[in-house]
Amino acid sequence: DTAVSQTPKYLVTQMGNDKSIKCEQNLGHDTMYWYKQDSKKFLKIMFSYNNKELIINETVPNRFSPKSPDKAHLNLHINSLELGDSAVYFCASRQGLAGVNEQFFGPGTRLTVL
Amino acid sequence: SQQGEEDPQALSIQEGENATMNCSYKTSINNLQWYRQNSGRGLVHLILIRSNEREKHSGRLRVTLDTSKKSSSLLITASRAADTASYFCATVLFGNEKLTFGTGTRLTIIP
Repeated sequence: DTAVSQTPKYLVTQMGNDKSIKCEQNLGHDTMYWYKQDSKKFLKIMFSYNNKELIINETVPNRFSPKSPDKAHLNLHINSLELGDSAVYFCASRQGLAGVNEQFFGPGTRLTVL
Repeated sequence: SQQGEEDPQALSIQEGENATMNCSYKTSINNLQWYRQNSGRGLVHLILIRSNEREKHSGRLRVTLDTSKKSSSLLITASRAADTASYFCATVLFGNEKLTFGTGTRLTIIP
């Protein structure tokens, strides 16, 4: 009965590789997000999708490409991984009016780039 | 630039005491939200307070908002060991979709 799930939970990879993180929500929400949390716990939004359409794209390198096959899924693909990409990546979802309702977060994916 | 700054960065108190965390922000907001993050887990929404509200309660939580000072506080009363976590404030601007998170307060409850 997990509301927002992410896979994998841990990802260790070499610099230069390409990797994907998957996110699924079973809450019926229209809007999904990707956040990055760095080693100092600072949490910053990366992308937001509403009904499969991109609505927020913060200043993120174009090596990061989100893909939403349907409104229940928002995947994050990262090309040419760099050391600075090491972080915890959180997926979240929301229903209702923009900015008014709470967001539901997944458990996070800890990415380590060696 | 970062919207929210939280104070203190870390707080340790004895179980049963009250814990107060503060959040300051820079521009006018639509609403402010508080989230909790247990170690190694995702964030959990605690409470949302709108810009026209001054105080909200939820169980042992009390949130205040002072828009003139651009600040908010989260009070946890009668703390428990299970309250040990990081607490984040997040602001939403008018006409804007996104949450902008503060730096967080690491709360440790000593049994």
